[in-house]
Amino acid sequence: AQSVTQPDIHITVSEGASLELRCNYSYGATPYLFWYVQSPGQGLQLLLKYFSGDTLVQGIKGFEAEFKRSQSSFNLRKPSVHWSDAAEYFCAVGPMMFSGGYNKLIFGAGTRLAVHP
Amino acid sequence: EPEVTQTPSHQVTQMGQEVILRCVPISNHLYFYWYRQILGQKVEFLVSFYNNEISEKSEIFDDQFSVERPDGSNFTLKIRSTKLEDSAMYFCATRGYGRNTGELFFGEGSRLTVL
Repeated sequence: AQSVTQPDIHITVSEGASLELRCNYSYGATPYLFWYVQSPGQGLQLLLKYFSGDTLVQGIKGFEAEFKRSQSSFNLRKPSVHWSDAAEYFCAVGPMMFSGGYNKLIFGAGTRLAVHP
Repeated sequence: EPEVTQTPSHQVTQMGQEVILRCVPISNHLYFYWYRQILGQKVEFLVSFYNNEISEKSEIFDDQFSVERPDGSNFTLKIRSTKLEDSAMYFCATRGYGRNTGELFFGEGSRLTVL
């Protein structure tokens, strides 16, 4: 079955501290992997994506993520968190192969990040 | 930067009423999706739409829901007779054409409140 697991429902870090949000997936084929961020009451903004190639991908706002096929993981990292990073973060997986009208994304339950000053 | 536009941003309706949520996709995109997020919960897939027909739908997308692209531009989600549990944020998403275009572009969402 296709699924995405974000083990941490809620994480609190101090401003300036490093951050790692975990994401594990179960998918039958080689996946596309995404991280989206959602501020309260807002839509979903793409942080970064992995399609192929270098397993360490860089995104916006200083975020990066590393794809580890052996661990079925795609963890999101940031070396120094800013107060404005407080939001909900969603990991998502979709099929790599072009498949017509399909290609739905499956989302994890999300990790809510709080940042202490 | 091209974007997906959704209207209304917030709609309050009485239970049993019909609701239509509208989405204007990015102009050259061909694949359209609706997702739903109940407050505090995960983003759930509802339906995908391509070439003027539904290509996939979830268990949530029952007979009360329908989608169409009536004028070649707007992509709409209709809920025929709303229920309290339909209260959620509804996101439209669109995708371009091509092998490595798996990215979905999401709108800002339409918040539906059913009273």
